[in-house]
Amino acid sequence: DTGVSQDPRHKITKRGQNVTFRCDPISEHNRLYWYRQTLGQGPEFLTYFQNEAQLEKSRLLSDRFSAERPKGSFSTLEIQRTEQGDSAMYLCASSPWSGIQETQYFGPGTRLLVL
Amino acid sequence: TQLLEQSPQFLSIQEGENLTVYCNSSSVFSSLQWYRQEPGEGPVLLVTVVTGGEVKKLKRLTFQFGDARKDSSLHITAAQPGDTGLYLCADLFGNEKLTFGTGTRLTIIP
Repeated sequence: DTGVSQDPRHKITKRGQNVTFRCDPISEHNRLYWYRQTLGQGPEFLTYFQNEAQLEKSRLLSDRFSAERPKGSFSTLEIQRTEQGDSAMYLCASSPWSGIQETQYFGPGTRLLVL
Repeated sequence: TQLLEQSPQFLSIQEGENLTVYCNSSSVFSSLQWYRQEPGEGPVLLVTVVTGGEVKKLKRLTFQFGDARKDSSLHITAAQPGDTGLYLCADLFGNEKLTFGTGTRLTIIP
C-alpha cells in the first residue's frame, strides 16, 4: 500500500506531556497538510508545506504546536505541554501540487487523548 | 471566515431507501468537494464540482451544485450498508487548504 501513513494511530498522554506525530506522504507528493478533527466535527486546517517550506499556519496552531518537514518528505507535528482540549484526531494529507486543482489524499489519522 | 453548514447532522434509514443531504455556505465556494469518512479512517474524495448548476453522478450518488455556488446537495439512490459513513462537504480555498463542513453522519440499516 503506497497511501499516506501516520504513526502512531492512537496516543494517550497526560496533561502537560509533549507528544510527536509522524506523517509519511505518498511518494513524490510535494504538498503536505495537517488537519485536526474533533468529535462530531469536520476537519480543521492547521498548516501545510510545499516541499520543506511551511507556507501557511492557521491561528488554531498555538505556539505549543510546531510542525516540520525537514527534507521535504515525511513531516512531524509536535504538541508541547498538552492540554485536554488538544484531544482530537490529527489528520495528514498529501497532494501532487501542479499549480491547478488538486486532490488531497488523507492518511488514517492519529487519535490523541489527553487525560 | 467561511462557514459550511450541513444538514441533517444525523440520518438513519433502511437499506434500499433514497436520501438527500445538504451543504450550505456563508460565501461562494471556490471549488466544492464532497468526501466520505469511515470510522477510524481519513476522508476520501468522492467528487469535485466547480461550475454553478453542475450535476455529477457517481454510480448511485448524484451531486448537485447550486446556481449561485453557495449550496450543494448529495442524493443517494437505493442506499446500501456500504454507504454508511460521515459525509463532508468542503471548499478547496485558493486550490490549497480545505475548509470542511460540519458533516452528516449517515447510517444505513440492513
